[in-house]
Amino acid sequence: ILNVEQSPQSLHVQEGDSTNFTCSFPSSNFYALHWYRWETAKSPEALFVMTLNGDEKKKGRISATLNTKEGYSYLYIKGSQPEDSATYLCALQGSGNTGKLIFGQGTTLQVKP
Amino acid sequence: GAGVSQSPSNKVTEKGKDVELRCDPISGHTALYWYRQRLGQGLEFLIYFQGNSAPDKSGLPSDRFSAERTGESVSTLTIQRTQQEDSAVYLCASLVAAYNEQFFGPGTRLTVL
Repeated sequence: ILNVEQSPQSLHVQEGDSTNFTCSFPSSNFYALHWYRWETAKSPEALFVMTLNGDEKKKGRISATLNTKEGYSYLYIKGSQPEDSATYLCALQGSGNTGKLIFGQGTTLQVKP
Repeated sequence: GAGVSQSPSNKVTEKGKDVELRCDPISGHTALYWYRQRLGQGLEFLIYFQGNSAPDKSGLPSDRFSAERTGESVSTLTIQRTQQEDSAVYLCASLVAAYNEQFFGPGTRLTVL
């Protein structure tokens, strides 16, 4: 059974702070690692899909890195803004043929103005 | 809109009743997934459709749960004889092919009293 762990569970930061969270997963049976942002009352929104060891992706102030050999991914937010407040989900896509996602429990970020 | 839609957005039902949840995927998306998130837990996979077939039903928690998809479009998730532990947010996601970004709907929040 694939198990995806995210830490911390929740985080409170001040506007302007930079922050990062961790996603850990079993390094075997790996195909892709997804990051989603889920704001209250909205649909989860895809941030990144990463497949290669050493991948680094960036979207505005948010970036992510991937280490498939040791089984972790980091998500970084530079200069957090109140609109970044959301739950950030990490999901593993295994090498089976269905593409289903195995999610971690998420990291809930609250950015105070 | 061109996104994934789900209905109803909220459903409150009494224990023992049957409920039907609907998902309208993005037009042309052949793959469709159902997930749910119970309170305090991560998103968990329920079922995967490729076209109108469901090659992976491994996440359905019991035989009270069933799902179908017609016309390679709309999908309905049916829960019979609902129990309190079925209370959750039920999310639907669609995509063009099984190994790309999944586009999520806004979810149905089911509360079983």
